[in-house]
Amino acid sequence: KNEVEQSPQNLTAQEGEFITINCSYSVGISALHWLQQHPGGGIVSLFMLSSGKKKHGRLIATINIQEKHSSLHITASHPRDSAVYICAVPISNFGNEKLTFGTGTRLTIIP
Amino acid sequence: EAGVAQSPRYKIIEKRQSVAFWCNPISGHATLYWYQQILGQGPKLLIQFQNNGVVDDSQLPKDRFSAERLKGVDSTLKIQPAKLEDSAVYLCASTTGRHNTGELFFGEGSRLTVL
Repeated sequence: KNEVEQSPQNLTAQEGEFITINCSYSVGISALHWLQQHPGGGIVSLFMLSSGKKKHGRLIATINIQEKHSSLHITASHPRDSAVYICAVPISNFGNEKLTFGTGTRLTIIP
Repeated sequence: EAGVAQSPRYKIIEKRQSVAFWCNPISGHATLYWYQQILGQGPKLLIQFQNNGVVDDSQLPKDRFSAERLKGVDSTLKIQPAKLEDSAVYLCASTTGRHNTGELFFGEGSRLTVL
Protein backbone atom coordinates (compact mmCIF):
# COMPACT_ATOMS: atom_id res chain seq x y z
CA LYS A 1 0.00 0.00 0.00
CA ASN A 2 1.37 3.40 -0.98
CA GLU A 3 1.94 5.76 1.92
CA VAL A 4 0.50 8.58 -0.20
CA GLU A 5 -2.64 7.94 -2.23
CA GLN A 6 -4.20 10.31 -4.73
CA SER A 7 -7.58 10.24 -6.38
CA PRO A 8 -8.71 10.30 -9.03
CA GLN A 9 -5.85 9.01 -11.17
CA ASN A 10 -7.27 10.70 -14.23
CA LEU A 11 -9.80 13.47 -14.48
CA THR A 12 -11.33 15.03 -17.57
CA ALA A 13 -13.61 18.04 -17.22
CA GLN A 14 -15.10 20.85 -19.26
CA GLU A 15 -13.67 24.32 -19.10
CA GLY A 16 -15.19 26.26 -16.23
CA GLU A 17 -15.88 23.28 -14.00
CA PHE A 18 -14.85 23.15 -10.35
CA ILE A 19 -12.09 20.57 -9.88
CA THR A 20 -11.18 18.62 -6.75
CA ILE A 21 -8.15 16.36 -6.38
CA ASN A 22 -7.66 14.38 -3.21
CA CYS A 23 -4.61 13.17 -1.34
CA SER A 24 -4.53 10.81 1.64
CA TYR A 25 -1.52 9.71 3.59
CA SER A 26 -0.96 7.06 6.19
CA VAL A 27 1.43 8.62 8.71
CA GLY A 28 1.58 11.79 10.73
CA ILE A 29 3.25 14.61 8.88
CA SER A 30 4.20 18.20 9.48
CA ALA A 31 3.54 19.57 6.00
CA LEU A 32 2.28 18.61 2.58
CA HIS A 33 3.28 19.83 -0.87
CA TRP A 34 1.09 20.18 -3.94
CA LEU A 35 3.06 20.16 -7.18
CA GLN A 36 2.14 20.69 -10.83
CA GLN A 37 3.84 19.12 -13.82
CA HIS A 38 2.92 20.04 -17.39
CA PRO A 39 3.63 17.50 -20.14
CA GLY A 40 7.31 17.53 -20.92
CA GLY A 41 7.85 20.23 -18.34
CA GLY A 42 9.47 20.59 -14.99
CA ILE A 43 7.70 20.49 -11.66
CA VAL A 44 6.32 23.63 -10.08
CA SER A 45 5.49 23.93 -6.42
CA LEU A 46 1.92 25.17 -5.94
CA PHE A 47 1.50 25.02 -2.19
CA MET A 48 3.19 23.89 0.96
CA LEU A 49 0.78 23.72 3.86
CA SER A 50 0.69 22.33 7.33
CA SER A 51 -2.81 23.32 8.44
CA GLY A 52 -6.03 24.92 7.28
CA LYS A 53 -6.29 26.39 3.83
CA LYS A 54 -4.22 28.34 1.32
CA LYS A 55 -5.41 30.17 -1.77
CA HIS A 56 -3.50 31.38 -4.80
CA GLY A 57 -5.54 32.73 -7.67
CA ARG A 58 -7.97 30.03 -8.75
CA LEU A 59 -6.23 27.36 -6.73
CA ILE A 60 -7.19 26.42 -3.19
CA ALA A 61 -5.49 23.79 -1.04
CA THR A 62 -6.86 22.45 2.22
CA ILE A 63 -5.47 20.01 4.72
CA ASN A 64 -6.95 18.12 7.66
CA ILE A 65 -4.07 16.83 9.74
CA GLN A 66 -6.30 14.70 11.99
CA GLU A 67 -7.92 12.93 9.03
CA LYS A 68 -4.61 12.73 7.13
CA HIS A 69 -6.22 14.21 4.03
CA SER A 70 -5.66 17.13 1.71
CA SER A 71 -7.55 18.47 -1.27
CA LEU A 72 -6.57 20.70 -4.16
CA HIS A 73 -9.39 22.67 -5.75
CA ILE A 74 -9.38 24.58 -9.02
CA THR A 75 -12.17 27.06 -9.62
CA ALA A 76 -13.25 28.12 -13.12
CA SER A 77 -10.93 25.54 -14.69
CA HIS A 78 -9.14 26.41 -17.92
CA PRO A 79 -7.40 24.26 -20.55
CA ARG A 80 -4.05 25.62 -19.37
CA ASP A 81 -4.71 23.89 -16.04
CA SER A 82 -4.24 20.58 -17.85
CA ALA A 83 -1.30 18.94 -16.12
CA VAL A 84 -0.37 16.25 -13.64
CA TYR A 85 -0.95 17.28 -10.03
CA ILE A 86 1.16 15.55 -7.42
CA CYS A 87 0.96 15.65 -3.66
CA ALA A 88 4.07 14.92 -1.66
CA VAL A 89 4.70 14.51 2.05
CA PRO A 90 7.87 14.19 4.10
CA ILE A 91 7.94 10.80 5.78
CA SER A 92 10.56 9.92 8.36
CA ASN A 93 12.80 7.05 7.42
CA PHE A 94 15.48 6.14 9.95
CA GLY A 95 15.59 9.68 11.24
CA ASN A 96 15.71 11.34 7.83
CA GLU A 97 12.64 12.90 6.29
CA LYS A 98 12.20 11.68 2.73
CA LEU A 99 9.70 13.36 0.45
CA THR A 100 7.22 10.69 -0.65
CA PHE A 101 5.23 11.40 -3.78
CA GLY A 102 1.70 10.39 -4.64
CA THR A 103 1.03 8.72 -7.97
CA GLY A 104 -0.30 11.94 -9.44
CA THR A 105 -3.61 12.99 -10.94
CA ARG A 106 -3.67 13.68 -14.66
CA LEU A 107 -6.10 16.52 -15.28
CA THR A 108 -7.40 17.36 -18.74
CA ILE A 109 -9.62 20.40 -19.22
CA ILE A 110 -11.55 20.41 -22.49
CA PRO A 111 -12.38 23.79 -24.05
CA GLU B 1 15.06 35.39 -8.19
CA ALA B 2 16.80 32.96 -10.54
CA GLY B 3 15.41 29.44 -10.49
CA VAL B 4 17.13 26.08 -10.35
CA ALA B 5 19.27 25.71 -13.45
CA GLN B 6 19.93 22.37 -15.08
CA SER B 7 21.87 21.31 -18.15
CA PRO B 8 21.76 19.81 -20.61
CA ARG B 9 17.99 19.79 -21.20
CA TYR B 10 18.24 16.81 -23.53
CA LYS B 11 20.84 14.11 -24.04
CA ILE B 12 20.84 11.05 -26.26
CA ILE B 13 23.54 8.43 -25.78
CA GLU B 14 24.12 4.80 -26.55
CA LYS B 15 24.16 2.18 -23.82
CA ARG B 16 27.47 1.77 -22.03
CA GLN B 17 28.37 5.41 -22.71
CA SER B 18 28.66 7.92 -19.90
CA VAL B 19 26.74 11.14 -19.24
CA ALA B 20 26.86 13.96 -16.72
CA PHE B 21 24.16 16.37 -15.62
CA TRP B 22 24.70 19.66 -13.89
CA CYS B 23 22.51 21.54 -11.44
CA ASN B 24 22.84 25.00 -9.96
CA PRO B 25 20.34 25.47 -7.14
CA ILE B 26 18.82 28.70 -5.97
CA SER B 27 21.38 30.81 -4.15
CA GLY B 28 21.41 30.10 -0.43
CA HIS B 29 19.55 26.80 -0.64
CA ALA B 30 21.37 24.32 1.55
CA THR B 31 19.43 21.26 0.50
CA LEU B 32 19.71 19.81 -3.00
CA TYR B 33 17.99 16.75 -4.42
CA TRP B 34 18.41 14.67 -7.55
CA TYR B 35 15.32 12.76 -8.68
CA GLN B 36 14.83 10.27 -11.48
CA GLN B 37 11.44 10.35 -13.18
CA ILE B 38 10.65 7.56 -15.61
CA LEU B 39 7.85 8.28 -18.05
CA GLY B 40 4.45 7.82 -16.42
CA GLN B 41 5.85 7.51 -12.91
CA GLY B 42 6.41 9.86 -10.01
CA PRO B 43 9.86 11.20 -9.13
CA LYS B 44 12.20 8.83 -7.32
CA LEU B 45 14.82 10.30 -5.01
CA LEU B 46 18.36 9.40 -6.03
CA ILE B 47 20.36 11.51 -3.61
CA GLN B 48 19.89 14.34 -1.12
CA PHE B 49 22.65 16.76 -0.15
CA GLN B 50 22.72 19.09 2.84
CA ASN B 51 25.38 21.63 1.88
CA ASN B 52 28.17 19.40 0.55
CA GLY B 53 27.30 16.36 2.66
CA VAL B 54 25.18 13.40 1.56
CA VAL B 55 22.03 12.95 3.66
CA ASP B 56 20.41 10.10 1.76
CA ASP B 57 21.69 8.09 -1.19
CA SER B 58 19.96 4.84 -0.36
CA GLN B 59 18.27 4.60 -3.78
CA LEU B 60 21.27 5.64 -5.85
CA PRO B 61 22.60 2.72 -7.96
CA LYS B 62 26.14 3.26 -6.82
CA ASP B 63 27.66 0.80 -9.27
CA ARG B 64 26.91 3.21 -12.10
CA PHE B 65 25.61 6.47 -10.63
CA SER B 66 27.64 9.05 -8.75
CA ALA B 67 26.91 12.56 -7.57
CA GLU B 68 28.87 15.29 -5.92
CA ARG B 69 28.37 18.75 -4.52
CA LEU B 70 31.91 19.72 -3.70
CA LYS B 71 31.49 23.34 -2.60
CA GLY B 72 27.96 23.03 -1.32
CA VAL B 73 26.55 24.94 -4.26
CA ASP B 74 26.20 23.33 -7.68
CA SER B 75 26.09 19.60 -8.20
CA THR B 76 26.79 17.02 -10.88
CA LEU B 77 25.16 13.64 -11.41
CA LYS B 78 27.05 11.10 -13.51
CA ILE B 79 25.99 7.81 -15.03
CA GLN B 80 28.70 5.44 -16.22
CA PRO B 81 28.01 3.15 -18.00
CA ALA B 82 24.43 3.94 -18.97
CA LYS B 83 21.80 1.26 -19.42
CA LEU B 84 18.59 1.37 -21.43
CA GLU B 85 16.54 1.56 -18.22
CA ASP B 86 18.27 4.81 -17.27
CA SER B 87 16.17 6.63 -19.87
CA ALA B 88 14.30 9.17 -17.77
CA VAL B 89 14.11 12.79 -16.79
CA TYR B 90 16.61 13.74 -14.11
CA LEU B 91 15.22 16.47 -11.91
CA CYS B 92 17.17 18.67 -9.56
CA ALA B 93 15.41 20.46 -6.73
CA SER B 94 16.50 22.70 -3.90
CA THR B 95 15.08 24.14 -0.72
CA THR B 96 16.25 26.32 2.10
CA GLY B 97 15.63 23.76 4.79
CA ARG B 98 14.00 20.50 5.54
CA HIS B 99 10.84 19.39 3.77
CA ASN B 100 8.61 20.71 6.50
CA THR B 101 9.92 24.24 6.47
CA GLY B 102 10.95 25.09 2.93
CA GLU B 103 9.19 25.35 -0.37
CA LEU B 104 10.64 23.11 -3.05
CA PHE B 105 12.00 24.53 -6.26
CA PHE B 106 12.56 22.24 -9.23
CA GLY B 107 14.64 22.69 -12.32
CA GLU B 108 13.27 21.98 -15.79
CA GLY B 109 14.94 18.61 -15.80
CA SER B 110 17.42 16.82 -18.04
CA ARG B 111 15.82 14.28 -20.34
CA LEU B 112 18.08 11.31 -21.04
CA THR B 113 17.47 8.81 -23.82
CA VAL B 114 19.66 5.72 -23.86
CA LEU B 115 19.64 3.83 -27.16
